[in-house]
Amino acid sequence: GDSVTQMEGPVTLSEEAFLTINCTYTATGYPSLFWYVQYPGEGLQLLLKATKADDKGSNKGFEATYRKETTSFHLEKGSVQVSDSAVYFCALNGGSTLGRLYFGRGTQLTVWP
Amino acid sequence: DTGVSQNPRHKITKRGQNVTFRCDPISEHNRLYWYRQTLGQGPEFLTYFQNEAQLEKSRLLSDRFSAERPKGSFSTLEIQRTEQGDSAMYLCASSFSGVTGELFFGEGSRLTVL
Repeated sequence: GDSVTQMEGPVTLSEEAFLTINCTYTATGYPSLFWYVQYPGEGLQLLLKATKADDKGSNKGFEATYRKETTSFHLEKGSVQVSDSAVYFCALNGGSTLGRLYFGRGTQLTVWP
Repeated sequence: DTGVSQNPRHKITKRGQNVTFRCDPISEHNRLYWYRQTLGQGPEFLTYFQNEAQLEKSRLLSDRFSAERPKGSFSTLEIQRTEQGDSAMYLCASSFSGVTGELFFGEGSRLTVL
């Protein structure tokens, strides 16, 4: 079945450091891939998405490229800020039109000044 | 605030009691989802509505769980005869049809079963 495997956390970085959070997936069809973020005390919100192979999603300085050959969708940011501290979830939609998402376990990111 | 609203935010109950959570989606959204999240895990899909029709249910949704969305507006999730294993955060999300995967989540309703 469809699933997402996400890098275990927590991840602790200093401000302006480079961030990578790994995500790999298993899917039977042609999934769309997503990163959601949950800031402290808030609901999950969509950070970025990619709907087909080789697409790059980007938002707020974060990027992720849909790599079909390696079944990966790693999240990257060149210079993190304290305000990026949050839990990041990789997710996939298995190609159906219903919008059901399969989520990874989440990676806690803490950025120190 | 026009986001997804969930109530109550926190519910503490004794084992065996029934609880009900309410979700008010973004008004223009015709799709509504319920997810469950336990500590250290990602959200797990429970059920999904398009308008008032419940189109999909996870096998996680035992017969003690029931969800409704009368008139295609707000939704309720009821858990009967609660068990300690039901303790979790229950998340509601809504979306437009045709925009796959772009869900708007509420802040969740935390259930603690003693």
